[in-house]
Amino acid sequence: AQSVTQLGSHVSVSEGALVLLRCNYSSSVPPYLFWYVQYPNQGLQLLLKYTSAATLVKGINGFEAEFKKSETSFHLTKPSAHMSDAAEYFCASRGSSNTGKLIFGQGTTLQVKP
Amino acid sequence: GAVVSQHPSWVICKSGTSVKIECRSLDFQATTMFWYRQFPKQSLMLMATSNEGSKATYEQGVEKDKFLINHASLTLSTLTVTSAHPEDSSFYICSAGGGTPEQYFGPGTRLTVT
Repeated sequence: AQSVTQLGSHVSVSEGALVLLRCNYSSSVPPYLFWYVQYPNQGLQLLLKYTSAATLVKGINGFEAEFKKSETSFHLTKPSAHMSDAAEYFCASRGSSNTGKLIFGQGTTLQVKP
Repeated sequence: GAVVSQHPSWVICKSGTSVKIECRSLDFQATTMFWYRQFPKQSLMLMATSNEGSKATYEQGVEKDKFLINHASLTLSTLTVTSAHPEDSSFYICSAGGGTPEQYFGPGTRLTVT
């Protein structure tokens, strides 16, 4: 069965510092992978997705993620954190079927300190 | 594009009553819609998957008679919480897929049962 693990339930960085949120997946075949962001009392917004094209994926708000099959990882990065990046981040995977369910990680709370 | 709305955004109801939550895809046809429940500081828990015109598929442990899901059209799915009790209080989020790998999420509905 597919699973997604986000290492670190809480990450704190200073404004302007590098953001690195870790995600590992387990799947017998490379799945579709996603990063979503959730602000308090809101739904999820898609940051970026990997769908077996380029392994380095660029998303919105300056975020990017690299798919590494050898490490079964899909870590999310941003070179310079902004205060507005403080939110909950979810990594998710999905099978190749477009009707497949999303499997979510536990989520990582990103705190950005001034 | 790919906007999903939910109504209401928050609702308070008395124990024993029923409440209906609507999920609409505003600018695309959603062949599949998903309903999630989210507890504070936790990840999303998939409740059920619904395809237009067919019965919803519920996840293990979700009471289908309590959480009624209808997907009557390609743009509308509804979740009805029947005979609500305080333990049903939660944040309910829907998402919609239109034949592409990603799902688009609604803003969520905060249900409080008193």
